Amino acid sequence: QITLEESGPTLVKPTQTLTLTCTFSGVSLNTPGVGVGWIRQPPGKALEWLGIIYWNDDKRYSPSLKSRLTISKDTSKNQVFLTLTNVEPVDTATYYCVHPNVYSNGSQWAYWFDPWGQGTLVTVSS
Amino acid sequence: QSVLTQPPSVSGAPGQRVTISCTGSSSNIGAGYDVHWYQQLPGTAPKVLIYATNKRPSGVPERFSGSKSGTSASLAIAGLQADDEADYYCQSYDISMTASFGTGTRVTVL
Repeated sequence: QITLEESGPTLVKPTQTLTLTCTFSGVSLNTPGVGVGWIRQPPGKALEWLGIIYWNDDKRYSPSLKSRLTISKDTSKNQVFLTLTNVEPVDTATYYCVHPNVYSNGSQWAYWFDPWGQGTLVTVSS
Repeated sequence: QSVLTQPPSVSGAPGQRVTISCTGSSSNIGAGYDVHWYQQLPGTAPKVLIYATNKRPSGVPERFSGSKSGTSASLAIAGLQADDEADYYCQSYDISMTASFGTGTRVTVL
């Protein structure tokens, strides 16, 4: 059984850097094909995919956040980190850590997300 | 910045069938990528309802079904029940190797 849990600050000031940690169990980032992703949801708004890191340290980021976002990992601790620089009030959201189920439909590779962490609400305000 | 468009809301009486559309483009759904659907109950994290366009995880009732055609996909809920009231999101993949979610649809049971 895979579980994920987010941790980090609940309040961050504008222009500061936000760092969140995802601690997971039931899967290893030493295993080929495994990845961990991040998704966020502003209050009352839609889900937004942020990025993903794979076992081989390959990373993919949302084009709209690529300049401010870094995802990294500590395989030995089963942890993945999200770092978002120069935060603004619009970055206020619940941030979810997710496990991507990677598969091929015969012609393409893709993934869906399951399970999800419970999410952590981060507020950006002075 | 959702690239998949859903209707903001749909509603139906108990027992009715409702459908939620998810419209993409030639770079995601139209490129052959599957669509996945999530249900988000109030105050909780989303959970997968349909994966790979039309497959149900164990525990998801057969009342929920998915389909895809061209650049669009649909989620159908048959026999609508009170506890189906939730937000629903589609998700797909893009030729740029990124994922994206739909704009979300709130289902209301009248």
